[in-house]
Amino acid sequence: QVQLQESGPGLVKPSQTLSLTCTVSGDTISSGGYYWSWVRQHPGKGLEWIGYIHYSGTTYYNPSLRSRVAISVDTYTNHFSLKLDSVTAADTAVYYCARNKISTRIFDYWGQGTLVTFSS
Amino acid sequence: QTVVTQEPSFSVSPGGTVTLTCGLSSGSVSTAYYPSWYQQTPGQAPRTLIYSTNTRSSGVPGRFSGSILGNKAALTITGAQADDESDYYCVLYMGSGIVVFGGGTKLTVL
Repeated sequence: QVQLQESGPGLVKPSQTLSLTCTVSGDTISSGGYYWSWVRQHPGKGLEWIGYIHYSGTTYYNPSLRSRVAISVDTYTNHFSLKLDSVTAADTAVYYCARNKISTRIFDYWGQGTLVTFSS
Repeated sequence: QTVVTQEPSFSVSPGGTVTLTCGLSSGSVSTAYYPSWYQQTPGQAPRTLIYSTNTRSSGVPGRFSGSILGNKAALTITGAQADDESDYYCVLYMGSGIVVFGGGTKLTVL
């Protein structure tokens, strides 16, 4: 059974960098065939794709966030990470990590999500 | 940037049939967009329902089906049940590695 678990600070100061990690179990990131994804949801709003990464290091980002986002992968520890620069209160959201199967474009496994809020 | 459109809300009676749609602000949805559908209840992570237009994810009841209707992707629930009351999101693959979520439809069963 594939499981994903987000971790990171729940509170970030504005203008700082948000850093989150997703630990994958039940699958190996380097097995190929998948993109490892970040999706967020602002309070009371819809889902927003942030971006994803292949184990080879190839990344794709939401054009609206591309200038502030970096996703990286560590195949040795089987986790991938999100960095979001210059955060503001508008970045307050639940952040999910998810696995995306390349052949069908399905987000087939999701983490439980982690709430990140911003406060000075 | 292309917007993926969904009805903001919909209601259905228990046992009834409802069709939610997923369109584009410009152009038509086809199977080439690999439409997928997700169900989300408050406080929970999304649950995968349908992918590649009409393939049900493992464990999804047969009352959920996907299709292309006209120029949109569609999710049909036949014989709606009370626990189908949720938010439903479609996702389209736009090419060049980019995916876009629709704004979601809040389904009420009453």
